[in-house]
Amino acid sequence: DSGVTQTPKHLITATGQRVTLRCSPRSGDLSVYWYQQSLDQGLQFLIQYYNGEERAKGNILERFSAQQFPDLHSELNLSSLELGDSALYFCASRPLGQGTDTQYFGPGTRLTVL
Amino acid sequence: AQTVTQSQPEMSVQEAETVTLSCTYDTSESDYYLFWYKQPPSRQMILVIRQEAYKQQNATENRFSVNFQKAAKSFSLKISDSQLGDAAMYFCACFQGGSEKLVFGKGTKLTVNP
Repeated sequence: DSGVTQTPKHLITATGQRVTLRCSPRSGDLSVYWYQQSLDQGLQFLIQYYNGEERAKGNILERFSAQQFPDLHSELNLSSLELGDSALYFCASRPLGQGTDTQYFGPGTRLTVL
Repeated sequence: AQTVTQSQPEMSVQEAETVTLSCTYDTSESDYYLFWYKQPPSRQMILVIRQEAYKQQNATENRFSVNFQKAAKSFSLKISDSQLGDAAMYFCACFQGGSEKLVFGKGTKLTVNP
């Protein structure tokens, strides 16, 4: 158990809908990262938040957005869903301090768009 | 651009034998870190081993060790005394502090035969 929690574990929805994925980082970790794992694109970095502020952006679509709240949990919002958005979405957190380059991953949320 | 290449889509090994998974990377930064993550059928991303680029000594974690060749930008993972529980997808990844993102290779599927 990495200490990172994600809900829900599974999500099935229809095209055009909007969903919210939730992540709680490890206790004390200020950085939260979101990744998408799909069969054709592999594991891709989407976005990073640090203590409530957006820090880095990767291959995140405009239909997707994220935020980090004062209690440090983060939410990834996916809207106008398409079939191609079906994937496993991971959240990871990283501690602050020396030797803290390691990211610890949550169990993921499997999104299926029908 | 930062890239990570795993040239072996699949590998197999006999139980109790040794196997080496290959990884090459490309980065423009001098400050970076390298990782191997394991993804079993449960889909959880589990950290296997970590290497700091500024350290010449190869990292070791129990049966797992790396061969880090900085000049060649090579970072291979050796699994000794392979066990059935080692069967999984293995991902090589590179983290650059400047870009704040983890870049993954496409993965190597490891099968352990009894």
